[in-house]
Amino acid sequence: SQTIHQWPATLVQPVGSPLSLECTVEGTSNPNLYWYRQAAGRGLQLLFYSVGIGQISSEVPQNLSASRPQDRQFILSSKKLLLSDSGFYLCACRRTVSGNTIYFGEGSWLTVV
Amino acid sequence: AQTVTQSQPEMSVQEAETVTLSCTYDTSESDYYLFWYKQPPSRQMILVIRQEAYKQQNATENRFSVNFQKAAKSFSLKISDSQLGDAAMYFCAYKRGSFGNEKLTFGTGTRLTIIP
Repeated sequence: SQTIHQWPATLVQPVGSPLSLECTVEGTSNPNLYWYRQAAGRGLQLLFYSVGIGQISSEVPQNLSASRPQDRQFILSSKKLLLSDSGFYLCACRRTVSGNTIYFGEGSWLTVV
Repeated sequence: AQTVTQSQPEMSVQEAETVTLSCTYDTSESDYYLFWYKQPPSRQMILVIRQEAYKQQNATENRFSVNFQKAAKSFSLKISDSQLGDAAMYFCAYKRGSFGNEKLTFGTGTRLTIIP
């Protein structure tokens, strides 16, 4: 089965600073990869997904961007963080050969101050 | 657009008893998947159970089972013999089955408390 690693687990950044959250997947190849955000007390919102290297789809307009430089690596970035970017970010993976179940990593807490 | 509704923000159950969490969804699709995820205090989202819309039989995973009522667009989760480790936020989620539809739509969650 696949394993999803995210880092850093916790991050406190000042407003206007850059962001890089990294996600790597083990145990599968050519997965679909996702970034979700969970704001405090709310459900999950899909931010980006990728079906292959260099292929990124954005679900909502925002201050963030995503990149997929390698098959099992997915990076969430920002050039200048806003207070509203604070939240819990979850990387997720779907094995394209095994149906429609999406599995999640352990998440990264981002606090923008 | 697809929506998922969880009408119970909080539920509690006595340890060893049974509890049912409700979920309804709205879709015009015929091919889709439904999921229950558990989010414990560690915040990691853990898959509990999944149901394919084309299957009439309700999914079961050990103490967890669902009541899938396709016509009513209802997808409830039953937890039998509740344990302290079941305490968590539970999210119902929907995904279209057709190729290229990658979005997993979540409900707002139900916080389950287990009373010792």
